[in-house]
Amino acid sequence: GAVVSQHPSWVICKSGTSVKIECRSLDFQATTMFWYRQFPKQSLMLMATSNEGSKATYEQGVEKDKFLINHASLTLSTLTVTSAHPEDSSFYICSASIQGLNSPLHFGNGTRLTVT
Amino acid sequence: GESVGLHLPTLSVQEGDNSIINCAYSNSASDYFIWYKQESGKGPQFIIDIRSNMDKRQGQRVTVLLNKTVKHLSLQIAATQPGDSAVYFCAENIQARDSSYKLIFGSGTRLLVRP
Repeated sequence: GAVVSQHPSWVICKSGTSVKIECRSLDFQATTMFWYRQFPKQSLMLMATSNEGSKATYEQGVEKDKFLINHASLTLSTLTVTSAHPEDSSFYICSASIQGLNSPLHFGNGTRLTVT
Repeated sequence: GESVGLHLPTLSVQEGDNSIINCAYSNSASDYFIWYKQESGKGPQFIIDIRSNMDKRQGQRVTVLLNKTVKHLSLQIAATQPGDSAVYFCAENIQARDSSYKLIFGSGTRLLVRP
């Protein structure tokens, strides 16, 4: 079964509104989670590393004020897309490692965001 | 910057044949590599991994080969089945300056299995 769960699996929102995506690790604690974005027919691009109890680390070119990440517990990280625009429409995927650093990441099933 | 790329964007094979998916990486300091399978509308699924102290690793119907000299990875799928149809990504684990790790994905290869 899945070890990382995302919710919702899809969401449609109007331009200018904010959307929150949840990522949960099931049956294990994840001090670090990773958020990726994937546009159609493209690869996964790392957006940020979510660290439990501290600030997220964002990749170059990713706006931290637009993509708010909160990792308040060892099993939950949230990504909030603020003031969403149509160009933010994408497939957002979170991941976590059971074994820690330098070991396989397990991915959630993603959230399809459509901004109208 | 570091990047992981693929030679073939689409691979079409006959059911029952073997498939070989290739990947080139550019960071010679990388020591851990992973292959993922992604089906439409789903997150990537772990297939197999390999560390740089190995040049070959086998799983069930899959084999990963690592050639550090030319910075090349390949994924071999034996007796390809229709259920193998998906997009395959190689990924490279890169260590940042603060000693944290992040996984960087290649551009992907779509595998199509003909019945």
